[in-house]
Amino acid sequence: AQSVTQPDIHITVSEGASLELRCNYSYGATPYLFWYVQSPGQGLQLLLKYFSGDTLVQGIKGFEAEFKRSQSSFNLRKPSVHWSDAAEYFCAVGDRGAQKLVFGQGTRLTINP
Amino acid sequence: KAGVTQTPRYLIKTRGQQVTLSCSPISGHRSVSWYQQTPGQGLQFLFEYFSETQRNKGNFPGRFSGRQFSNSRSEMNVSTLELGDSALYLCATRNAGGGPPETQYFGPGTRLLVL
Repeated sequence: AQSVTQPDIHITVSEGASLELRCNYSYGATPYLFWYVQSPGQGLQLLLKYFSGDTLVQGIKGFEAEFKRSQSSFNLRKPSVHWSDAAEYFCAVGDRGAQKLVFGQGTRLTINP
Repeated sequence: KAGVTQTPRYLIKTRGQQVTLSCSPISGHRSVSWYQQTPGQGLQFLFEYFSETQRNKGNFPGRFSGRQFSNSRSEMNVSTLELGDSALYLCATRNAGGGPPETQYFGPGTRLLVL
């Protein structure tokens, strides 16, 4: 069965600092991987996705993620965070055709001014 | 294109009642999936509809049901509400054209509170 682990429930970083959010997945075949962001009271917005090809993927808002098959990881990074990045971030793995997503528990990001 | 629309945005019900939530997909999207989000269980897949047929189902009791109309709009119904059904219900839509895997686009959700 597919599963996703986000080891960090809550992370606090200072504005302007770099960010890395961890995601580890378990899936028997080639995974389809996603990062979504959720602001309070809102739905989920797609940041980036990996289906195949280049293992470093670029997303919106200056985010990037690197797929590492050997480590079963898909960590999200941003070189310099902004106060508006404060939100909850979800990593997800999709089955064939990405019909069903399995989500991690989320990482809540707080930004210190 | 307009995004995914969910109505109502907020709902308060009492135990034992039933509720119907609606999701209108992005134009051209034929697949609608529903997810439940709670603080304890996180985001969990409920079911997916495509061409008016349920194609995938998560591990939820039969009180949770859904349907899809010919215009791809979907409704989900929860009967005999329990306190634990209080959650944010999200729908996600995609084209499902049969080609490469696609992104699911989420609506803003319906916040259900069961008293």
